[in-house]
Amino acid sequence: GQQVMQIPQYQHVQEGEDFTTYCNSSTTLSNIQWYKQRPGGHPVFLIQLVKSGEVKKQKRLTFQFGEAKKNSSLHITATQTTDVGTYFCAGPENTDKLIFGTGTRLQVFP
Amino acid sequence: DAGVTQSPTHLIKTRGQQVTLRCSPKSGHDTVSWYQQALGQGPQFIFQYYEEEERQRGNFPDRFSGHQFPNYSSELNVNALLLGDSALYLCASSSMTGAGNTIYFGEGSWLTVV
Repeated sequence: GQQVMQIPQYQHVQEGEDFTTYCNSSTTLSNIQWYKQRPGGHPVFLIQLVKSGEVKKQKRLTFQFGEAKKNSSLHITATQTTDVGTYFCAGPENTDKLIFGTGTRLQVFP
Repeated sequence: DAGVTQSPTHLIKTRGQQVTLRCSPKSGHDTVSWYQQALGQGPQFIFQYYEEEERQRGNFPDRFSGHQFPNYSSELNVNALLLGDSALYLCASSSMTGAGNTIYFGEGSWLTVV
């Protein structure tokens, strides 16, 4: 079945440093979604990318969808302590089922 | 506009017991999916309900069953609980017919099996 991997598993950064997490799918995706889960919380939808090579920005967050629609990345510029959490990518196996990545846990030290 | 609501938020059960978790989707949504999230892992798809029918099922045993009611709310039932069923159970709400199809997650039900 479809597998979605993310690297790194953990990332510790100093506040103000940049952060990037990479997502790779074993199959071509119709779209890629990104979620943020704060410690003890639930996944919160961040964004959906649909087009090959698409780049979207949300303030300090930049999301990219690869040309082959099998990989994606999330880059955070100048991290803040509020960015702490686990970032998941997720791709649909079909219209009904989301396959989540393994997640990257971000810790930001002040 | 109420978001996705789940109950209970936390519960403790003994091995072999049965549990029922409940979910009310976001207003205007007609589709409910259930996910299991073990500690330190990503959510794993259990099944999805639309029009009171199970549309798709993940790799979970028959001990996991569900139901959707005419008002779109849903229940997840787990029988013969095992220690490994301890996890956060997430309900995800979406619209099969709406534009965008953004998925909203509830805050989850934390199940501990002892």
